[in-house]
Amino acid sequence: NAGVTQTPKFQVLKTGQSMTLQCAQDMNHEYMSWYRQDPGMGLRLIHYSVGAGITDQGEVPNGYNVSRSTTEDFPLRLLSAAPSQTSVYFCASSFQVTGFQKLFFGSGTQLSVL
Amino acid sequence: LAKTTQPISMDSYEGQEVNITCSHNNIATNDYITWYQQFPSQGPRFIIQGYKTKVTNEVASLFIPADRKSSTLSLPRVSLSDTAVYYCLVEAGMNTGFQKLVFGTGTRLLVSP
Repeated sequence: NAGVTQTPKFQVLKTGQSMTLQCAQDMNHEYMSWYRQDPGMGLRLIHYSVGAGITDQGEVPNGYNVSRSTTEDFPLRLLSAAPSQTSVYFCASSFQVTGFQKLFFGSGTQLSVL
Repeated sequence: LAKTTQPISMDSYEGQEVNITCSHNNIATNDYITWYQQFPSQGPRFIIQGYKTKVTNEVASLFIPADRKSSTLSLPRVSLSDTAVYYCLVEAGMNTGFQKLVFGTGTRLLVSP
């Protein structure tokens, strides 16, 4: 059972480039989300989805785009990378949408924007 | 959701018991306390959740006093592999709508030989 799979693990971009961080889960979870983690900042919610076709913004959505065409996949797109987007990105999923969310996290993508 | 406050860091030695206290003064009647653990270079993982009194599992114990304004995560006889960041969260219980979980900066636990 793979759980939550994120690719790539590492990525270096130049300012202005675009790319997509992939996230897939095989647990049939309705809820999926993206967090970024910066030193001293904890985890901050970027975007989330409560089911296929439904997405919404979190705390820090600017510069990122998401879509949820299937239950399994929730890609995060950087439209025009900026150095401020250098961070570690985590994807998480949960079976529950309401009430308790026992989140399952992927192993992260370390992104550097030069 | 209630704001949580926990120490930024703690140090311990192998074999000692570690207690990490989290303050959540504005916790609501329907709220539960949840703890996550994050090892270096990994995503957080759920370790324990409770409402009141004491909850114990294979990883940790969670103590919640009657007023529920704080909670204590207890790790018995820590080892080097318990070095991690521990996050305390407050979540609304069942029969509530969707909520965005807020992870603060957590408590960085360093276990030394």
